[in-house]
Amino acid sequence: SAVISQKPSRDICQRGTSLTIQCQVDSQVTMMFWYRQQPGQSLTLIATANQGSEATYESGFVIDKFPISRPNLTFSTLTVSNMSPEDSSIYLCSVRNSVARTDTQYFGPGTRLTVL
Amino acid sequence: AQSVTQLDSQVPVFEEAPVELRCNYSSSVSVYLFWYVQYPNQGLQLLLKYLSGSTLVKGINGFEAEFNKSQTSFHLRKPSVHISDTAEYFCAVSDLPGGYQKVTFGTGTKLQVIP
Repeated sequence: SAVISQKPSRDICQRGTSLTIQCQVDSQVTMMFWYRQQPGQSLTLIATANQGSEATYESGFVIDKFPISRPNLTFSTLTVSNMSPEDSSIYLCSVRNSVARTDTQYFGPGTRLTVL
Repeated sequence: AQSVTQLDSQVPVFEEAPVELRCNYSSSVSVYLFWYVQYPNQGLQLLLKYLSGSTLVKGINGFEAEFNKSQTSFHLRKPSVHISDTAEYFCAVSDLPGGYQKVTFGTGTKLQVIP
């Protein structure tokens, strides 16, 4: 299984600012994802982070608000831009390795974001 | 399109009692099903998964789940719960193995074990 770390683990931010969340995996993985878990709700996929190309965003999420980078097979960042209180959520990095065909997604510990 | 329904948002149960957390799914093709657990202030951890073969799947921490194709269900069970099982449990479905795919999660069931 993959071991995933995220930084920061939590943060409190002011409205209108931006926060970049880092995701580091201990092994090379084919696919990396970013999820949002709003208070009392389930996980919603924001986007798939593609290595060397633009991320693939799900309906309702746009690059200007959630720019994503993935410079290599073990690292990705998600930026939450121009934050508002509605962005208060847990942001989770997730990985899977389709080459190994394991079908399992592994999750990082999450970044708990509070926007004031 | 695939979807997952977890019928109970909260399930209180006394310690050492059995528990069943319900999950129903809909999918147009062959399904792959998962249960994840999220302990307070932590990320998600895989409990068990069904990909093929035996419909009864055993996972970690004494949990098991049964895939029932005719009822489109994948209920999670444990014969005797412990205080440490208090957590939120998510059922998830994925249509195809490998390759690009989106895993759809249910809304979660909070299991509260009462001493």
